[in-house]
Amino acid sequence: QTVVTQEPSSSVSPGGTVTLTCALNSGSVSTGYYPSWYQQTPGQAPRTLIYNTNIRSSGVPDRFSGSILGDKAALTITGAQADDECDYYCALYMGYGIWVFGGGTKLTVL
Amino acid sequence: QVQLEQSGAEVKKIGSSVKVSCKVSGGRFHSYDISWVRQAPGQGLEWMGRVMPLLGTANYAQKFQGRVTITADKSTSTAFMELSSLRSDDTAVYYCARAVDVAVPAALGVWGKGTTVTVYS
Repeated sequence: QTVVTQEPSSSVSPGGTVTLTCALNSGSVSTGYYPSWYQQTPGQAPRTLIYNTNIRSSGVPDRFSGSILGDKAALTITGAQADDECDYYCALYMGYGIWVFGGGTKLTVL
Repeated sequence: QVQLEQSGAEVKKIGSSVKVSCKVSGGRFHSYDISWVRQAPGQGLEWMGRVMPLLGTANYAQKFQGRVTITADKSTSTAFMELSSLRSDDTAVYYCARAVDVAVPAALGVWGKGTTVTVYS
């Protein structure tokens, strides 16, 4: 069974930099999994931040960036702001039209 | 500007079915996949399946195979998600999302606001 794993929680200081990761139980994450990242504040629908590893969705500030770090997909936030405090989800493409989400990371800015 | 308008909240009895709609405006409906994602209370996002309106074909997460049907009506630019044999743990907010572009595969791009489905016994 495919399992996509994210850090349950992470923290960053205002103005600081944080990297969230997205791992696959069956092996390395590569660009071929078309990793994407979504941001969700409580009570709201998700917002797409990054797709195809590193393409920012329209209107997303350039302090959000995506990459492959080692064997994981990564979302890096530079110059963290208070309103970056929310949940972040990655999703990987498994082929045959199938996507799988990670469990999400709750980011605290303090 | 693309917008996805979902149908209203539903309250359903265990064992029944629910059908949620997602009307797309402001774009070429048939060219973009529509996915359905759900989120149980206090839980993460769960991808359920997607429909390709151009071809009328759908793919489903293994967990929901046999219980979910996702369709698209090109004449009304509306996608539908029907979930049958409802259980209490199907209580969740159900989101539709349009693909970011027409490439294959394409990540989820524009999201609907969500439809709350409550299943009771």
